[in-house]
Amino acid sequence: RKEVEQDPGPFNVPEGATVAFNCTYSNSASQSFFWYRQDCRKEPKLLMSVYSSGNEDGRFTAQLNRASQYISLLIRDSKLSDSATYLCVVNNNNAGNMLTFGGGTRLMVKP
Amino acid sequence: EAQVTQNPRYLITVTGKKLTVTCSQNMNHEYMSWYRQDPGLGLRQIYYSMNVEVTDKGDVPEGYKVSRKEKRNFPLILESPSPNQTSLYFCASSSTGGYEYTEAFFGQGTRLTVV
Repeated sequence: RKEVEQDPGPFNVPEGATVAFNCTYSNSASQSFFWYRQDCRKEPKLLMSVYSSGNEDGRFTAQLNRASQYISLLIRDSKLSDSATYLCVVNNNNAGNMLTFGGGTRLMVKP
Repeated sequence: EAQVTQNPRYLITVTGKKLTVTCSQNMNHEYMSWYRQDPGLGLRQIYYSMNVEVTDKGDVPEGYKVSRKEKRNFPLILESPSPNQTSLYFCASSSTGGYEYTEAFFGQGTRLTVV
């Protein structure tokens, strides 16, 4: 079983749609959680951290459920520029700041 | 500008010919790491370094070496590349972990093909 699992997609949605991605992680000792965005053939870049209380940044909302070991990302009012791969990332701070990546979920927003 | 710089961006080489991919960061970060990214497997950590002269294996270290003689540089060495090391490689850096959130900054990637 992979440490961080995501549905690879692709998720094909029209502009303006709301889309949600889920991610599960297996290491209950994980301390920090993130969503990174990766455009095709480019490097991953931090989209947002995920806090236990849930957090929002504009059209993006991230949620963490530690009991279920589950992380989500909600994108409202999708834009064409949101098309990318979204990587769920877990940081087990006890393991030397190692980041463990999910395989990514590909989003394609169409006009 | 804060950045992580990898070189080369693209490399085609032959089996067994030693190569080095360089990585340099200008953010004075303690922590640096190397990942490879393959279709269907995602990003997997090869090696990491928590500070100068401190390196450790990640998930897939076989066939790779690293060194950390200076804080800013963390080269990846393939002593005898093989075709299964054909991949997209990323270097990343961040400030020291612990229990604090630390964003990882990635280089632009090196696409390596071993024939």
